[in-house]
Amino acid sequence: SQTIHQWPATLVQPVGSPLSLECTVEGTSNPNLYWYRQAAGRGLQLLFYSVGIGQISSEVPQNLSASRPQDRQFILSSKKLLLSDSGFYLCAWSDMNTEAFFGQGTRLTVV
Amino acid sequence: RKEVEQDPGPFNVPEGATVAFNCTYSNSASQSFFWYRQDCRKEPKLLMSVYSSGNEDGRFTAQLNRASQYISLLIRDSKLSDSATYLCVTPMDGGSQGNLIFGKGTKLSVKP
Repeated sequence: SQTIHQWPATLVQPVGSPLSLECTVEGTSNPNLYWYRQAAGRGLQLLFYSVGIGQISSEVPQNLSASRPQDRQFILSSKKLLLSDSGFYLCAWSDMNTEAFFGQGTRLTVV
Repeated sequence: RKEVEQDPGPFNVPEGATVAFNCTYSNSASQSFFWYRQDCRKEPKLLMSVYSSGNEDGRFTAQLNRASQYISLLIRDSKLSDSATYLCVTPMDGGSQGNLIFGKGTKLSVKP
């Protein structure tokens, strides 16, 4: 069966510090991978998606970047965090045209 | 751009009530649709998939209206445990790339 792991679960970082969130998927190959952000009381905003190694599509220009160094690994990064980067970050995977499965999320607070 | 739009809610209903949410989508080529449930401070979890005209699972029924480009979720005999935010999802470009766009969600609160 497929599983998705996302860590850390919670993170408090100072403004200006770097960020690295990692997500890995097991039990499938060549999945579509996603990073979403959900601000408090808001909907899910698609940040990045990837259909293959090294292929990253950005939905919203911002202070973040994503990389996919391996087939089942998706990393969300920032060089310098802003207060507005606070939120609930969710990694997800799917096969083409099918439902997405989410990791448990990372709650990031930038202080 | 707003590919997926949902009733904003919140919907406050008594136990046992029937409640329905609508979700409109802009891409007429969309072939697959999903309803997710998200509890407070948790990740979304799949509730139902819809690939044709509709789907039914116990108290939950999803219906797809391609002509009007909307999908609905009907919950019968509401339970307290149904309280959550319900998210509508469809691939943005009809599914060729698999990038999934979520609606902002409809919050449901079932009261005793």
